[in-house]
Amino acid sequence: DAEITQSPRHKITETGRQVTLACHQTWNHNNMFWYRQDLGHGLRLIHYSYGVQDTNKGEVSDGYSVSRSNTEDLPLTLESAASSQTSVYFCASSEGAGTGENEQFFGPGTRLTVL
Amino acid sequence: QKEVEQDPGPLSVPEGAIVSLNCTYSNSAFQYFMWYRQYSRKGPELLMYTYSSGNKEDGRFTAQVDKSSKYISLFIRDSQPSDSATYLCAGSTNAGKSTFGDGTTLTVKP
Repeated sequence: DAEITQSPRHKITETGRQVTLACHQTWNHNNMFWYRQDLGHGLRLIHYSYGVQDTNKGEVSDGYSVSRSNTEDLPLTLESAASSQTSVYFCASSEGAGTGENEQFFGPGTRLTVL
Repeated sequence: QKEVEQDPGPLSVPEGAIVSLNCTYSNSAFQYFMWYRQYSRKGPELLMYTYSSGNKEDGRFTAQVDKSSKYISLFIRDSQPSDSATYLCAGSTNAGKSTFGDGTTLTVKP
């Protein structure tokens, strides 16, 4: 069955370290998204991609970067982790722009703690 | 002002009650509307998906979209304890990016 996976599921790191969260989907979806979810803020979009080599900033992109070298993967990098980036991170994918298939399928989440 | 505003809750109802969850949105370009259910410590899962205005029914769940008033609703009939979760509404343009409400946490008491 097609799925979307995230790794690691839990991560503890120190302030200033670079951290990369992995996202892998086997739906063959063009669109991929990264969100963070914090109490009182719901899901906030960090970065998104509409296809290979395409990346776009979301509403809370400062301190994060992504790259899309293939259809299946969209890794999220925290360049220099800060305590404010302690959160639960969700990756999602959807079929593609203009297809009418805008529903997103979410991964299980990565719980990141920055000490 | 957020593009999607959701009744914050939390909401607590007895088993068997009819539940109404509501959102408003401000982006006139939204054409697709979704409801996601999120259990504690899990990722959101798609519950209902609607294109443009109208109603859509799936079992005990009914989604309503009124584009003239920019209002989105989800009704749950005969609510069950297993419906206890956080419900997120979302709107999307044809481009594919979705905007989510902050979620309403529902508890259904046996």
